[in-house]
Amino acid sequence: ETGVTQSPTHLIKTRGQQVTLRCSSQSGHNTVSWYQQALGQGPQFIFQYYREEENGRGNFPPRFSGLQFPNYSSELNVNALELDDSALYLCASSLTGATDTQYFGPGTRLTVL
Amino acid sequence: GENVEQHPSTLSVQEGDSAVIKCTYSDSASNYFPWYKQELGKRPQLIIDIRSNVGEKKDQRIAVTLNKTAKHFSLHITETQPEDSAVYFCAASDTGTASKLTFGTGTRLQVTL
Repeated sequence: ETGVTQSPTHLIKTRGQQVTLRCSSQSGHNTVSWYQQALGQGPQFIFQYYREEENGRGNFPPRFSGLQFPNYSSELNVNALELDDSALYLCASSLTGATDTQYFGPGTRLTVL
Repeated sequence: GENVEQHPSTLSVQEGDSAVIKCTYSDSASNYFPWYKQELGKRPQLIIDIRSNVGEKKDQRIAVTLNKTAKHFSLHITETQPEDSAVYFCAASDTGTASKLTFGTGTRLQVTL
């Protein structure tokens, strides 16, 4: 198992609400990437944080935002939740941003009703 | 941006047989190609990866080959076992400042007795 942890494991929200998901990276890793995995699909890149700065973003609207803290843990915030936001949210940590191996956390299963 | 196609979507083999999963990518600048195994309800787990300066890499029963000219890479599993049953994802890195992984759509491998 990797040293990447995520909380909470499961979450149920209603449309229009806001949610914050958390990720602790593996010791020594300064880069965290967030992915959304819809049921039956591959993970899709949301964004990456490197040393507390956003370092790349996928094709997700601005209501998906994030933070990285000095200890390199990270948060994913989603505002104005929509039904299609229901998915497994995965974070992955890596040593640096440039093509280093990414190790995934167990994910947070978000259900939007 | 990068596009990764993966085939087949499902694969059923008998225990002891070999399994091959193929992926193609579109961005010739991609230079890192990991493979992840995801069991039901669990995190994607890195099983092997290859970088563009290498044509083949092997780790016990698992091997990956890369053809940069044709822009395709393949996962080979020999002597399959029931515990190999899972969904396998290939991915390619979008080089640049962020190591964004673009994933294929996944292959559900079932190893039957």
